[in-house]
Amino acid sequence: DVKVTQSSRYLVKRTGEKVFLECVQDMDHENMFWYRQDPGLGLRLIYFSYDVKMKEKGDIPEGYSVSREKKERFSLILESASTNQTSMYLCASMKGGSNQPQHFGDGTRLSIL
Amino acid sequence: AQSVTQLGSHVSVSEGALVLLRCNYSSSVPPYLFWYVQYPNQGLQLLLKYTTGATLVKGINGFEAEFKKSETSFHLTKPSAHMSDAAEYFCAVSNSNSGYALNFGKGTSLLVTP
Repeated sequence: DVKVTQSSRYLVKRTGEKVFLECVQDMDHENMFWYRQDPGLGLRLIYFSYDVKMKEKGDIPEGYSVSREKKERFSLILESASTNQTSMYLCASMKGGSNQPQHFGDGTRLSIL
Repeated sequence: AQSVTQLGSHVSVSEGALVLLRCNYSSSVPPYLFWYVQYPNQGLQLLLKYTTGATLVKGINGFEAEFKKSETSFHLTKPSAHMSDAAEYFCAVSNSNSGYALNFGKGTSLLVTP
């Protein structure tokens, strides 16, 4: 089974802090994704990466950046955290093309105070 | 571009009753369709998927979905609801032109009552 591990289940940070969310997958998948999930809005794509050091903006990239230095690890960075970034963050990985399913981690519930 | 509409943000059924969760999609080319389930405080788990071939797709936990091109639908069903089915369900769509993007519906929360 594919295992996608997010480093923290719950995280509390302060406004203006730089925040790092880490995600690791163990199945050698080329593609990795970061979503945020908010009630009534479903899942919205922030960034994705289709190879090491490659990244593409999703639907809501503002205020976020990403890093993929190794194939198995994909990091989401909040450059200067704000209260409207309080949310559930989900990481996913996927092998191959768009007919393949994405595999999700358990999520990080981030609160910005 | 492709998109998904899930009709009903909340659905309530009695234990043992039929579960029907509705999903309609739009896609300019043949779609790839997915249903995911999310239990409280967990990530999303794949229930089933349709890419090509047989239009009736069986998934885990007794769920199935039927791809109906004429109706642009991919509704999720289960003959008999169990208390453990209470969760959030997401329909998602992609296609060969969408690259890696998976477009999700806003989700349907399923409540199962005794």
